[in-house]
Amino acid sequence: AQTVTQSQPEMSVQEAETVTLSCTYDTSESDYYLFWYKQPPSRQMILVIRQEAYKQQNATENRFSVNFQKAAKSFSLKISDSQLGDAAMYFCAYRSEVDSNYQLIWGAGTKLIIKP
Amino acid sequence: DARVTQTPRHKVTEMGQEVTMRCQPILGHNTVFWYRQTMMQGLELLAYFRNRAPLDDSGMPKDRFSAEMPDATLATLKIQPSEPRDSAVYFCASGLFVWGGSLYNEQFFGPGTRLTVL
Repeated sequence: AQTVTQSQPEMSVQEAETVTLSCTYDTSESDYYLFWYKQPPSRQMILVIRQEAYKQQNATENRFSVNFQKAAKSFSLKISDSQLGDAAMYFCAYRSEVDSNYQLIWGAGTKLIIKP
Repeated sequence: DARVTQTPRHKVTEMGQEVTMRCQPILGHNTVFWYRQTMMQGLELLAYFRNRAPLDDSGMPKDRFSAEMPDATLATLKIQPSEPRDSAVYFCASGLFVWGGSLYNEQFFGPGTRLTVL
């Protein structure tokens, strides 16, 4: 069974600086998707960025980018120029491409604190 | 813009009472998920439906939880009788999943229902 591990329960960063959130996963599959979701205090789960395992190029969405290391099964999220609105819980998630159920396997989350 | 809606947003009830949570998926989405989020367990998948048919409800306590989709625009999650350990935030998510089709098959989440059972 696949697992997702986020080893940092909490991270803090100074506003305007860069922070990296780590995520590792375990799978025997070669085709899958990886996601980072953000959950601000409003509780709304918001998709931040996604990565297809077959793509070597790291996904980027504005200030958010990932470092996808398939062999190492690592999928870290880098937030550049951190803003106060980035403060939230961040969840890493895995979805199999083979499994037609399309379930997401979730990490435990990392709480990101932005210091003004 | 299209979004998943959930009602109620907050619910406080007493142990033993029935609780019904409702979800309206995004129009056209064929898959609906119910999640429960607690501090201790994180996000847990309770059940999900494809084209209104239940595909997996192994995450639900069968004796007290039930999930249904009376029609394509409504999904319900019912707890009867409720217990204090059911206190959590319950999320509904929907998506359009096409085998071999959509690239990412993203799940769109509703705002959640915060349930407190006293």
